[in-house]
Amino acid sequence: NAGVTQTPKFQVLKTGQSMTLQCAQDMNHEYMSWYRQDPGMGLRLIHYSVGAGITDQGEVPNGYNVSRSTTEDFPLRLLSAAPSQTSVYFCASTPTGQYNSPLHFGNGTRLTVT
Amino acid sequence: GQQLNQSPQSMFIQEGEDVSMNCTSSSIFNTWLWYKQDPGEGPVLLIALYKAGELTSNGRLTAQFGITRKDSFLNISASIPSDVGIYFCAGQNLYGQNFVFGPGTRLSVLP
Repeated sequence: NAGVTQTPKFQVLKTGQSMTLQCAQDMNHEYMSWYRQDPGMGLRLIHYSVGAGITDQGEVPNGYNVSRSTTEDFPLRLLSAAPSQTSVYFCASTPTGQYNSPLHFGNGTRLTVT
Repeated sequence: GQQLNQSPQSMFIQEGEDVSMNCTSSSIFNTWLWYKQDPGEGPVLLIALYKAGELTSNGRLTAQFGITRKDSFLNISASIPSDVGIYFCAGQNLYGQNFVFGPGTRLSVLP
């Protein structure tokens, strides 16, 4: 099993550029989520999805869009990148997102916006 | 929103020593999780706790779900070099699907 797969591993963007961070899981998990990790701030939730066709905002959604057209994929879009979006991004999933269902993480995408 | 505090922020210990770290919240949680993150990788689940007062071990790691449900503790016995990394706690309440993460404790092990 590949688990949660994120691509690319590294990315450098110029301010104003757009890009999509890919996340795929092969565990048939209903719940998927995106976090950003900044020094000293832990992991903060950007967007999440409880199933195909359903998405919702987390703690820090501004500047990011998501969609969930299939159970397997949950891409994160930056429409106009800003230096404040320089961070490490993690995708995570659980079978249901409910009680007794811990998160499984991908290995992250390190994004730098200049 | 809900926030978690972790202490210490960082620690340097000698190989073979025991380690203790904790996580506190102003809110009650029904699930506590402990993760470890190695450099360049995603967090990996170490221990999951689902009941107040629960004490759970995973090899040299032991974690406890605080009785007040507002805190959790992680102990590592006889530390080894591969214990180096960042340890995160995460909490989830019964009514929320989402997890709240602490800022992490960075552990360094000196040979």
